[in-house]
Formats: sequence, structure tokens, C-alpha cells
Amino acid sequence: AQSVTQLGSHVSVSEGALVLLRCNYSSSVPPYLFWYVQYPNQGLQLLLKYTSAATLVKGINGFEAEFKKSETSFHLTKPSAHMSDAAEYFCAVSENYGQNFVFGPGTRLSVLP
Amino acid sequence: NAGVTQTPKFQVLKTGQSMTLQCAQDMNHNSMYWYRQDPGMGLRLIYYSASEGTTDKGEVPNGYNVSRLNKREFSLRLESAAPSQTSVYFCASNHQAGGEAFFGQGTRLTVV
Repeated sequence: AQSVTQLGSHVSVSEGALVLLRCNYSSSVPPYLFWYVQYPNQGLQLLLKYTSAATLVKGINGFEAEFKKSETSFHLTKPSAHMSDAAEYFCAVSENYGQNFVFGPGTRLSVLP
Repeated sequence: NAGVTQTPKFQVLKTGQSMTLQCAQDMNHNSMYWYRQDPGMGLRLIYYSASEGTTDKGEVPNGYNVSRLNKREFSLRLESAAPSQTSVYFCASNHQAGGEAFFGQGTRLTVV
């Protein structure tokens, strides 16, 4: 069965600093991987997705993620944090063309001035 | 283009009451989902519908029923609400081959 772990329920960075949010997955087949962002009192918005093309995936708002099969990881990064990046971030995995997504527990990102 | 629309946005129920959460999408997606979100647990799948006329249980289906009324609409029913069902509920949809799921704005449900 597929599963997702996200190391760190809360991450704080200073404005301008590197953002690194960790995601590890387990899957019995090559997975589809996603990062979503949730702002307070809103639904989830797709940041980026990996669907077996390039291993380095670029998303919206300057975020990118690298698929590493050997490490079963899909960590999310952004070179320079902005105050507007403060939100909750969810990693998700799907094994079958995007059906039946399984989400990680989420990481709340705080950006300090 | 509204995307995924959920109603209501907020609801307070007494223990034992019933209610139906409504979800509609206008993107002609085949698959629809209901998730609940609880602090520290991410989103957990309650039920999903891979196509019109089919529904399947997810990770936490107990206490819920669903209906895929047509391709656009997928409702979630609580027959006898319990305090443990206090949560934020999200509906989502995607195209089977497309991958990305689109989410509604959520329904915040409190059962007292």
C-alpha cells in the first residue's frame, strides 16, 4: 500500500532563506507524486507534480521538487522564502493515473521577518 | 469556471442528526473524492467514485454514505452524526488520465 511521510510538522525559516520540506513515500509501482499548498481556511492548490518525465519538477511560485527513486523522496525546495509562502504543504502519492491520492500529514511553514 | 463547489461552508449538528454535504464539479472529470482533514493527520480518503455509477470505500468510510448522482455531483451523507465526525471535509475531482486533483473550499463541520 502506498504511504507518505513528511518530516517535520512545523518548519520555520527567515525571509530570504532556503525552504526545504521533506517528503518520503512508499509505493509498489512507479508513483505519481504531488505537492499541494493550503492557505488558511482555503482548499488545496497544486504546486507541482511528478508523472515520470523529468526528475526535477518546477512548479508555481518558485518552488521545485526532485524525484529520487533510490531514496524514495520528493523533497520540495525554494531558494528564497517570501512571507507569502507561509502556509501548510502536503505531499501526496498516487499509483494509478492520479486516482486515490494518499496524503502526508502536512508541514506548516512559517516565514519569519 | 467555478471548478469544484461545496455546500455548505459551515455546519453545526447535534449528535444523532443527519445531513448531506453537496459537491459539484464543472470540469467534466470522471473521478470524484471525499476527504476529511484533521490536525496532524493530513487528508484521509472517505469514499471515492472513479466514474459515474461507481463508488468505493477509502481509508475511513465508517459512518458515511455517498451518492454519485451524475457525472457532476458527488454527495456525502452522515446518517447519525457523532462528535468524532467533527472535521473539515473536502471534495475533489480529477480526470483519470490527468492526475492532478482539484479541490473545493471545504466544509467545516462541528458535531456537538
